Amino acid sequence: GNSVTQMEGPVTLSEEAFLTINCTYTATGYPSLFWYVQYPGEGLQLLLKATKADDKGSNKGFEATYRKETTSFHLEKGSVQVSDSAVYFCALSGAGGGADGLTFGKGTHLIIQP
Amino acid sequence: GAVVSQHPSWVICKSGTSVKIECRSLDFQATTMFWYRQFPKQSLMLMATSNEGSKATYEQGVEKDKFLINHASLTLSTLTVTSAHPEDSSFYICSARDPGTLRQPQHFGDGTRLSIL
Repeated sequence: GNSVTQMEGPVTLSEEAFLTINCTYTATGYPSLFWYVQYPGEGLQLLLKATKADDKGSNKGFEATYRKETTSFHLEKGSVQVSDSAVYFCALSGAGGGADGLTFGKGTHLIIQP
Repeated sequence: GAVVSQHPSWVICKSGTSVKIECRSLDFQATTMFWYRQFPKQSLMLMATSNEGSKATYEQGVEKDKFLINHASLTLSTLTVTSAHPEDSSFYICSARDPGTLRQPQHFGDGTRLSIL
């Protein structure tokens, strides 16, 4: 079955540091890949997505590239801010065009210190 | 603005009570909605797929008699936690996908925090 593995947290960085959160996946076919962000006490918000190999998703300074050869979708940001502190989830939907539920990684808690 | 509305956002009730959570798609008709459960500091786990006009599809290990799902219209799915006990306390989140947008992401509700005393 499908699975998503992402780096364990918490990840603590200083403001303006470079961020990488690793995510690798196992899936059949050609899944779509997503990063979601969850702020304290809130639901999930889509951060970015990629639907095919070599696609790069980007939003709010974050970006991730769909690497089929390494089955990875690492999240990066060049300069983080305190407001980026949240839990980040890597997820995939099956090759069925999204008609199935999402498979999530365990989440990475990001803490940005001023 | 929000495209999926979930209600209520917070419920505290006594053990043995049944609790109903609603999930509505606001801007589109959703033939399929999904229910997830999230334990503290853990990931979201898919509980079931709610299909309009038919029975829900439950993931392995999820008790269908415990978590009743009804998807009576194209914009509303409900999850009822029957005879809730403290171990059912969790964060429940629904999602829906606009069927007119192939491979587009699911839209999530803001979640319902359920606390059983």
